[in-house]
Amino acid sequence: EPEVTQTPSHQVTQMGQEVILRCVPISNHLYFYWYRQILGQKVEFLVSFYNNEISEKSEIFDDQFSVERPDGSNFTLKIRSTKLEDSAMYFCASSEAHTGVAEAFFGQGTRLTVV
Amino acid sequence: RKEVEQDPGPFNVPEGATVAFNCTYSNSASQSFFWYRQDCRKEPKLLMSVYSSGNEDGRFTAQLNRASQYISLLIRDSKLSDSATYLCVVNGRNAGNMLTFGGGTRLMVKP
Repeated sequence: EPEVTQTPSHQVTQMGQEVILRCVPISNHLYFYWYRQILGQKVEFLVSFYNNEISEKSEIFDDQFSVERPDGSNFTLKIRSTKLEDSAMYFCASSEAHTGVAEAFFGQGTRLTVV
Repeated sequence: RKEVEQDPGPFNVPEGATVAFNCTYSNSASQSFFWYRQDCRKEPKLLMSVYSSGNEDGRFTAQLNRASQYISLLIRDSKLSDSATYLCVVNGRNAGNMLTFGGGTRLMVKP
């Protein structure tokens, strides 16, 4: 069964450092997303990406964050200067079509720990 | 008011029991509704979409009441493997692509 894959599974970084979280969405999917979940809290939307541009973003997704699809298979989330409060599980997701009509499949997540 | 609100639980039930979870959402423009399941420290996985007429998938039944902005999930004949957190999810504001998650209801099924 096709799946969304994320690397690394766990990343530890020092405050102020840049991190790049990587995702390989399902190959025929057109919509890509990043969500995060702080430990013990709800899953929160960060950004959606379609047709090589951001289609929607939340208030969390400020100038510290950026996304990129550098080639035909990868989708990355960059955090420029990490803060302690960026520590969370980051989930990449993809869908074949708009989430109103198609299921969003989530990757297994990258646990980011900022120290 | 929270965008998607759920009772966090936990609901502790014996195997074979029937259990129901409820959820309310604040955005009357929401158009799509889902129940996801999340196991501890794992990714959310779609359990079922929720349709206006109500829908059933095996032991699971979902209902939607648009007038009350209320969604429910009924699990019959609970199994140990049903133990998880159940997330009520709404397709976001202005019918965009964003999924808005509730905080989840934790279910523990005991032998």
